Amino acid sequence: RKEVEQDPGPFNVPEGATVAFNCTYSNSASQSFFWYRQDCRKEPKLLMSVYSSGNEDGRFTAQLNRASQYISLLIRDSKLSDSATYLCVVTFLLGGATNKLIFGTGTLLAVQP
Amino acid sequence: DAGITQSPRHKVTETGTPVTLRCHQTENHRYMYWYRQDPGHGLRLIHYSYGVKDTDKGEVSDGYSVSRSKTEDFLLTLESATSSQTSVYFCAIRDIAGELFFGEGSRLTVL
Repeated sequence: RKEVEQDPGPFNVPEGATVAFNCTYSNSASQSFFWYRQDCRKEPKLLMSVYSSGNEDGRFTAQLNRASQYISLLIRDSKLSDSATYLCVVTFLLGGATNKLIFGTGTLLAVQP
Repeated sequence: DAGITQSPRHKVTETGTPVTLRCHQTENHRYMYWYRQDPGHGLRLIHYSYGVKDTDKGEVSDGYSVSRSKTEDFLLTLESATSSQTSVYFCAIRDIAGELFFGEGSRLTVL
């Protein structure tokens, strides 16, 4: 089993739709969680951190479910500009002060006009 | 702008030649990383650094070496490039909050 798993998609949704992605992780000691967005042939960019209580940034909502070991990203009122690959990142402590960061392979979102 | 630049941005080279990619940051962050990204594999860690002259291997370090003689520069070297090292290479820095910021990437083709 991969340490971090995502549905690769693609998720094809119409403009204005609500879409949600999940990312599961295998290490119960995982500490920090993030969602990144990557446009085609560009670098990944931080979209949002994921906090235990859940957090919202405009149309984006991120949630963490430690019991079931997954994080989710909800996008409301999808825009064409939301089309991208969404990567989840999970970190856990290796030992001392060293963190290990594991990236999912990403979920491709295509918002259709 | 995260203050991180990579060079060269594109390079085509031949099998067996040495290649060095440079990552430069202006943020004075302690942690720096080199990743490669390939279809179907996502981002995989090659090497990372947690300070000047302090480096460690990632999950795909074979065939790569790194050096960090200054806080701002992290170099990735392919001593003898192979076609399997054709990839997009991303450098990243990590801030105090644990968030990663990436350079724009270096696209390497080994013929």
